[in-house]
Amino acid sequence: QVQLVQSGAEVKKPGASVKVSCKASGYTFTSYGISWVRQAPGQGLEWMGWISAYNGNTNYAQKLQGRVTMTTDTSTSTAYMELRSLRSDDTAVYYCAREVGIAAAGLGYFDLWGRGTLVTVSS
Amino acid sequence: EIVMTQSPATLSVSPGERATLSCRASQSVSSNLAWYQQKPGQAPRLLIYGASTRATGIPARFSGSGSGTEFTLTISSLQSEDFAVYYCQQYNNWPPNTFGQGTRLEIK
Repeated sequence: QVQLVQSGAEVKKPGASVKVSCKASGYTFTSYGISWVRQAPGQGLEWMGWISAYNGNTNYAQKLQGRVTMTTDTSTSTAYMELRSLRSDDTAVYYCAREVGIAAAGLGYFDLWGRGTLVTVSS
Repeated sequence: EIVMTQSPATLSVSPGERATLSCRASQSVSSNLAWYQQKPGQAPRLLIYGASTRATGIPARFSGSGSGTEFTLTISSLQSEDFAVYYCQQYNNWPPNTFGQGTRLEIK
């Protein structure tokens, strides 16, 4: 079964870090990139960044540069997204999505999504 | 940065009627435009890519059209399960993968 399974909900204090996992199954992990997209409560979708599962190349949204790191473990077909220095406006559902790329830079559309991980940042 | 603008913000349509949703890009994105459907508490689902190609398993009542800066998603005969929020996304220009703000399709 082709799917992305994400880790469970997290509650963090401001200034802390969170690391969300996304385990792929049912397809060749290294044939696609993984993007991370977040959605604040009641808001739209915000692309956070992309990682190539083939070679680990990354591209991050400018507003998150310096706070986000995306990695993969090809031995377990798992992608990770770590966000540091958390603020209250980082409270959101974080999705991983398989990206069908049209170019090497991480441009593409998302044909498979995880169910999302709720990250709550609160003191 | 390319800005994707969807209209209307909310669309009220009766079941069985046609719904037409619009998405405009602030500059040309060629045909590199996707549409997603999102229901409450669920992840988005890919409907259309390449502006007009239906994703696997998407019913034929969903169709996409347009190129450049103007795009349309049409649902020909609304079913109860189609009431949701719809997002467009461009994947042509840097920074990549910008989304519109969404159109909420509600039952009239």
